[in-house]
Amino acid sequence: DIQLTQSPSFLPASVGDRVTITCRASQGVGSYLVWYQQKPGKAPKPLIFAASTLQTGVPSRFSGSESGTEFTLTISSLQPEDFAVYYCQQLKSYPITFGQGTRLEIK
Amino acid sequence: EEQLVESGGGLVQPGGSLRLSCVVSGFTSSSYWMSWARQAPGKGLEWVANISPDGSDRRYVDSVRGRFTISRDNVKNSLDLEVSSLTVEDTAVYYCARYYDGSGANDRFDVWGQGTKVTVSS
Repeated sequence: DIQLTQSPSFLPASVGDRVTITCRASQGVGSYLVWYQQKPGKAPKPLIFAASTLQTGVPSRFSGSESGTEFTLTISSLQPEDFAVYYCQQLKSYPITFGQGTRLEIK
Repeated sequence: EEQLVESGGGLVQPGGSLRLSCVVSGFTSSSYWMSWARQAPGKGLEWVANISPDGSDRRYVDSVRGRFTISRDNVKNSLDLEVSSLTVEDTAVYYCARYYDGSGANDRFDVWGQGTKVTVSS
């Protein structure tokens, strides 16, 4: 199984900050990497797919990149509505797996 | 509007069974792979099962294989997950999702339901 390890698990930040979340895969997943945002009591929402493609309707302050088996989600200038939990997911092979999540909280 | 609405969750005793349902509206489900994922209280997301557009290909995470069955009715535009031999570790919110199987690496779960809660407890 492909393990995805996100870092950090907890990220305190302030409105206006630039933040980066990392997701490392235990083996190659190509670009089959998706980032989701989840707010309390809500279903996850896709932000980025194919490692770096912005889902329709997602603000351009969100971006994704990849380097080998390391993937990053960057939020260029945090807005109040961005405080949430973020997950990466690989769909390269079964079983489909998620990272453990990164909780982005107000500092 | 593309929408998924789950139902069927509830309180069940260990060893018991439930049938979770997901009704699709706003798109033709027969064109898509469909998925179930779950989230235990205070925990992360876990993929559970996938089913192909015609229902002929089904995939499961190891922890549920042999106990859960995913199925679909493309006439009714619906998706089911039959869960049996439940343990406390199966307590979670269960989400159905559309698996967008795009060209290249464009795969993603692009439409999600609101979830249905399953609690396994004596």
